[in-house]
Order: sequence, then C-alpha cells, then structure tokens
Amino acid sequence: SQKIEQNSEALNIQEGKTATLTCNYTNYSPAYLQWYRQDPGRGPVFLLLIRENEKEKRKERLKVTFDTTLKQSLFHITASQPADSATYLCALYYNTDKLIFGTGTRLQVFP
Amino acid sequence: DAGVIQSPRHEVTEMGQEVTLRCKPISGHNSLFWYRQTMMRGLELLIYFNNNVPIDDSGMPEDRFSAKMPNASFSTLKIQPSEPRDSAVYFCASSLLRTANTGELFFGEGSRLTVL
Repeated sequence: SQKIEQNSEALNIQEGKTATLTCNYTNYSPAYLQWYRQDPGRGPVFLLLIRENEKEKRKERLKVTFDTTLKQSLFHITASQPADSATYLCALYYNTDKLIFGTGTRLQVFP
Repeated sequence: DAGVIQSPRHEVTEMGQEVTLRCKPISGHNSLFWYRQTMMRGLELLIYFNNNVPIDDSGMPEDRFSAKMPNASFSTLKIQPSEPRDSAVYFCASSLLRTANTGELFFGEGSRLTVL
C-alpha cells in the first residue's frame, strides 16, 4: 500500500532561518504532489502543487522540490517567521483521484 | 463563497449512540472527501465521492461507518453504534475533479468527536 513519511519530530528553528521539511513516499510514482498547512483546530489549507516533470516550484517564500528518483519532496520556507509555525502536510494522488496525506511535520519558529 | 461547512463542530456522546456528521461542499465542486485525523494515525481517507457517487470506501474502518451524498450540496457520515476509539476530528473536503486531477482540496473546519 502507499506510504508517505514525514518527520514526526517537530522542527524548531529561529526566525529568519530557512526551514526544510521532508516528504518521502514508497510503492507509487505519483504525477503530482501537494503541500498543505494546518493550524491547530483548523482544517488543512493548500499551499503548493508540483508535477513530476517539475524539479522545483516557488511561491513567495516557499520552495518545493520533487525528486522522482529518490521518491522525495523537500519543502523550504525561507526567511521564516513566527507566523509560519504550523503543521505541514504533504499529499499525493493515488489512483488518479484519491488524495493520501503524510502524517505531517510540526514547525515552530522562534523569534 | 462560504467554503466547506461542517456541523457539528464538537460532539460529545456516549458509547453506543448514533453520531451523524454533516457537510456542505463548495458550490460547483464535484468531488467530496471524508477524512479522519488522530494523533496516532494522522489524516486518513475514509471515503470519497465523485458526482455524488461513492468511488472508494476502502478506508471506512467498519460496517458501523456509513456515508451518503444524496445531492451535490450535502453529505453525511454516520457512525452507529459509536465507540470510544472513534474519537477523532472528522474533516470533509471538496474539490473540482478534472480529467487529469491536480485539484486542491478545500477543507472544512472539522467535527471533533468524543465518544465516552
């Protein structure tokens, strides 16, 4: 079955630094991978999508890479701010229209 | 648009009782997903619908769980009878499914269920 792994330990970084989160998957070759942000007590919110033929995608301070050989996506937040503190989830489509999520990584940015 | 609307936001019930969670998707979206989130297992897909038709319910844990989508603007997730291990946050999400689906999901705020 499809397995998506994210670092379950929280990532603590200082404001202004770059946060890097990892998403690894097995047993599948997705054409698309998505990243979501989830704040406590709220539903996940879509951030970015990257296609298998795109090595890198940027949106403001966010950057996502997608390495289909390593079966890995990296999610970067540059110049991080305390407001970036949240849980970040990666997700991929399995069987075309079934979106499966990783367990998420909690990011804490300290001032 | 008001987004995906779920109700109730919080539900506390006793073991054995029936629980019904409700969802109104975003108007115009043709896919609807029910997820369950716990600390231990993360966000698990329970069932999803395309054009009101259930496509995959392999994530529904047991026969105690059932979901319906009688029309494009309403869906329910029912648990009968409920058990303490069903305690979780249940999310509904909707999307616009295209031929080559890359659609982002829009989530509701969730229904937090506690079964005593």
